[in-house]
Amino acid sequence: NAGVTQTPKFRILKIGQSMTLQCTQDMNHNYMYWYRQDPGMGLKLIYYSVGAGITDKGEVPNGYNVSRSTTEDFPLRLELAAPSQTSVYFCASTQQENYGYTFGSGTRLTVV
Amino acid sequence: AQKVTQAQTEISVVEKEDVTLDCVYETRDTTYYLFWYKQPPSGELVFLIRRNSFDEQNEISGRYSWNFQKSTSSFNFTITASQVVDSAVYFCALSEVTYGNKLVFGAGTILRVKS
Repeated sequence: NAGVTQTPKFRILKIGQSMTLQCTQDMNHNYMYWYRQDPGMGLKLIYYSVGAGITDKGEVPNGYNVSRSTTEDFPLRLELAAPSQTSVYFCASTQQENYGYTFGSGTRLTVV
Repeated sequence: AQKVTQAQTEISVVEKEDVTLDCVYETRDTTYYLFWYKQPPSGELVFLIRRNSFDEQNEISGRYSWNFQKSTSSFNFTITASQVVDSAVYFCALSEVTYGNKLVFGAGTILRVKS
């Protein structure tokens, strides 16, 4: 049972480039989330989804987009990478609201 | 306003010492949930505990214990007889209905346990 799988683990982007961070879960969870973690700032919610076809903005959505075409996958898209998007990105899922989240291992992104 | 405050940025202890990590939260909801997560040096986030607002009973799990006090809006975490493997960043988080039940995290406390 893989849980939540994120790829890639590391990536360096140049300013203005785009990329997609992949997130897949095999637990049939409806709820999925993308967070970013900056030093000393905790985790900030970027986007979330309560089921296939439904997504909504979190606290810091600017510069990102998501889609949820299946229950399993919740990719995060960066269209025009900026240095401010240098961070560690975590995907998470849960079977019900207010339950503990299962997190992926994270993607460390550096924009230069 | 900060919904979850972890005032201790970093704590250093010597092995076998007890250590308490503080968490103060802010909410107007009557129904809410509090969580603790551990992030070891390897980077993954590990769920430790979930507590709902109607259950103020303290909880103990091995060397870990949690003290929930609604009167002071606190949900503190104590590690008894700390070990080097406890070295990690610990996050407290809040989930409330008015925020769509999404987790809001504190800034985290870095715990360093020295041998």
